[in-house]
Amino acid sequence: DAGITQSPRHKVTETGTPVTLRCHQTENHRYMYWYRQDPGHGLRLIHYSYGVKDTDKGEVSDGYSVSRSKTEDFLLTLESATSSQTSVYFCAIDPGRGGELFFGEGSRLTVL
Amino acid sequence: DQQVKQNSPSLSVQEGRISILNCDYTNSMFDYFLWYKKYPAEGPTFLISISSIKDKNEDGRFTVFLNKSAKHLSLHIVPSQPGDSAVYFCAAPRPGISNFGNEKLTFGTGTRLTIIP
Repeated sequence: DAGITQSPRHKVTETGTPVTLRCHQTENHRYMYWYRQDPGHGLRLIHYSYGVKDTDKGEVSDGYSVSRSKTEDFLLTLESATSSQTSVYFCAIDPGRGGELFFGEGSRLTVL
Repeated sequence: DQQVKQNSPSLSVQEGRISILNCDYTNSMFDYFLWYKKYPAEGPTFLISISSIKDKNEDGRFTVFLNKSAKHLSLHIVPSQPGDSAVYFCAAPRPGISNFGNEKLTFGTGTRLTIIP
């Protein structure tokens, strides 16, 4: 058990509403990532964090923001959800083992 | 620009036979590669990796081969077992991998492997 949990695990929301997904780790790792998984696209990096209050964009960051006020928590926010953001979102922690990331179980988001 | 490509979305293999999953990459600066396995409703889990200084890495039933000149790697599973049915992703971290973290992985699109009993 890598000590990473995501919440909520499932959420259905309507277009235009804000949504926040939470990732919590108990491992005290510096680097954390948010990915989304979509058919035909694999996993794509949305945002990542390299420390408290230190974040940067990944390849598909438009429409998303993140925050990290504590080492253990990394939040992903959709300010105004759109149907194109219907996806499964995965958080990952990086223990510094050469790319061997530990992923959470995922948060399935449906935007109607 | 898909820098890591898995051209076979699905593969079916008889139990006990060899499964071969393929992955191609375009960025010649990539110097390390990983395979992840994903079951439904779970997060991906690390399976095996290979450094560009090697052309083969083996771990039990799993072997990864790297052909740098062709920019191609493959994962061999032998013998295949029903529990191997999953989606497999190949991935590459940013060039110049370290043990300090910040390995923003670029993933392929995945191959769904089904092992037929």
